[in-house]
Amino acid sequence: QVTLKESGPGILQPSQTLSLTCTFSGFSLSTYGMGVGWIRQPSGKGLEWLANIWWDDDKYYNPSLKNRLTISKDTSNNQAFLKITNVDTADTATYYCARIRGVSLFDYWGQGVMVTVSS
Amino acid sequence: DIQMTQSPASLSASLGETVTIECLASEDIYSNLAWYQQKPGKSPQLLIYYANSLNDGVPSRFSGSGSGTQYSLKINSLQSEDVSIYFCQQNYDSPYTFGAGTKLELK
Repeated sequence: QVTLKESGPGILQPSQTLSLTCTFSGFSLSTYGMGVGWIRQPSGKGLEWLANIWWDDDKYYNPSLKNRLTISKDTSNNQAFLKITNVDTADTATYYCARIRGVSLFDYWGQGVMVTVSS
Repeated sequence: DIQMTQSPASLSASLGETVTIECLASEDIYSNLAWYQQKPGKSPQLLIYYANSLNDGVPSRFSGSGSGTQYSLKINSLQSEDVSIYFCQQNYDSPYTFGAGTKLELK
């Protein structure tokens, strides 16, 4: 059974760094072909893909945020991470991690974690 | 970036009806198109991938079709549990972009 769960700070102030953790089970990021992606959704709005990381540590970022994003993984603890630097109110959203199947198909999603950026 | 334009933005239909949602890509995405369902307060769930392949456990009343730049999601015999927002996503090229969503409600 594949499950994913996101965790994060809840609230942070503008210019701070957002650190998110995705803890998963039912698959391994050391297995050939496996990947985890991060997607966010402002309240009442659409979905925005942020970044992917693969079993071989290959990484892809959304160019619109690339300079601010860092994705990483801890294979032994079944975790993936996303850092976003210099946040502002536009980064307020629910952040999801998801398992990747094939070429960036997100077949299992976490429940999401709400992040609010406010002074 | 590949732009994904979904229509309609919202849709109201009766139980048992057939509904169709469209997704237009700004360039050919060679059937690398997925549909997701997001029920109220929940995370998205993968329904269809590669334009017409049903994900495991998805009811057969859902179907996808299309090629090139034009794709559609069809729901036959609408059920109450189908009330959701539906998103298309292209997974052909990075950045992997989503449509703005179609909100499906019961009439």
